[in-house]
Amino acid sequence: LAKTTQPISMDSYEGQEVNITCSHNNIATNDYITWYQQFPSQGPRFIIQGYKTKVTNEVASLFIPADRKSSTLSLPRVSLSDTAVYYCLVGSKAAGNKLTFGGGTRVLVKP
Amino acid sequence: NAGVTQTPKFQVLKTGQSMTLQCAQDMNHNSMYWYRQDPGMGLRLIYYSASEGTTDKGEVPNGYNVSRLNKREFSLRLESAAPSQTSVYFCASSEDRAEKLFFGSGTQLSVL
Repeated sequence: LAKTTQPISMDSYEGQEVNITCSHNNIATNDYITWYQQFPSQGPRFIIQGYKTKVTNEVASLFIPADRKSSTLSLPRVSLSDTAVYYCLVGSKAAGNKLTFGGGTRVLVKP
Repeated sequence: NAGVTQTPKFQVLKTGQSMTLQCAQDMNHNSMYWYRQDPGMGLRLIYYSASEGTTDKGEVPNGYNVSRLNKREFSLRLESAAPSQTSVYFCASSEDRAEKLFFGSGTQLSVL
């Protein structure tokens, strides 16, 4: 199982770009990388998913280097409402694969 | 379109009592999951069901049982509740494993 490592917390200010890096050194060939956002008292919410290179949607960008041993979630121009915990998951459709969450990164956006 | 619905939202049990947490999804998803989240911690996988009729253990299955009643419903049962099971329980579903997970709003369980 690919284990993930993320920073415990990060502080930022409104309008800045936030980059969160996740390490997954033993990622398997068929594994995808997925990021979730969780607000207090709510279930996690899907942000973005990728396999390699770069993926962008209306909320974030995901950068994955060629060796896929890490990935970086980029949140452009954050606002106070982006204060949340962000989780990186690695997993595949393989039989027996278990989608496990790590400890997540607590992002605090300050005025 | 309700998504993933969990009941109850709150529950208080005494040690040794049993109860079942209910989860239903209306998105025709194949896979369903139960996670627990302790205060200030990440989510830990209890059990999952890759498809109707199959269930598998996650990271922390001890003290729990599950039933994939049909494609829509996936229940979690505590046979003899313990204080260590005090947590917030989240149910999730996805079209397939490793696809986007959709989460319910959670059940806050306290075992006294």
